[in-house]
Amino acid sequence: GQNIDQPTEMTATEGAIVQINCTYQTSGFNGLFWYQQHAGEAPTFLSYNVLDGLEEKGRFSSFLSRSKGYSYLLLKELQMKDSASYLCAVSAPTGNMLTFGGGTRLMVKP
Amino acid sequence: GAGVSQSPSNKVTEKGKDVELRCDPISGHTALYWYRQSLGQGLEFLIYFQGNSAPDKSGLPSDRFSAERTGGSVSTLTIQRTQQEDSAVYLCASTVGWEQYFGPGTRLTVT
Repeated sequence: GQNIDQPTEMTATEGAIVQINCTYQTSGFNGLFWYQQHAGEAPTFLSYNVLDGLEEKGRFSSFLSRSKGYSYLLLKELQMKDSASYLCAVSAPTGNMLTFGGGTRLMVKP
Repeated sequence: GAGVSQSPSNKVTEKGKDVELRCDPISGHTALYWYRQSLGQGLEFLIYFQGNSAPDKSGLPSDRFSAERTGGSVSTLTIQRTQQEDSAVYLCASTVGWEQYFGPGTRLTVT
């Protein structure tokens, strides 16, 4: 079966750092994705991890531990525009279809 | 360049009617996926097309749902005899590699 868990909501302050965790138990694994989705809009790609370790891209970093079934998305120097839902997704070994967690709604406050 | 487009953006239909949702993928993208996002829930995989291969229909929730992809490009998702639980945002994504590019979605409301 597929099970991907992430917190439902988080709140953080502008300029701060926030870490969004994701744990997964899936029957197959090809890689782990993080997407950002603003209300009423399509998800947009943030990061992709296939090997263990940290991938850094500007203010956003993503970490993966395959042995622990664990990933996190780290957002630094938070801006108001970072208020959105952050979706953790695992891609299947064949077909690459994505299985998504429920998403974490992040609210950034002044 | 143009991204993934979907039409209509919004569709309101009466229970029991059939609906067709359209997806125009990014030109040259060989793989196309349909997902749906119900209120308060995560995205759920529905169906996957790769080139000329038979589609992977493993995510379709019932036989009322079907999809086709003509000429390896445009795809249509059809829902027959719609039910209220079909109300959701239906998202299409296309890819040529590992990154899936999502369209804006069609918001379907069944009354």
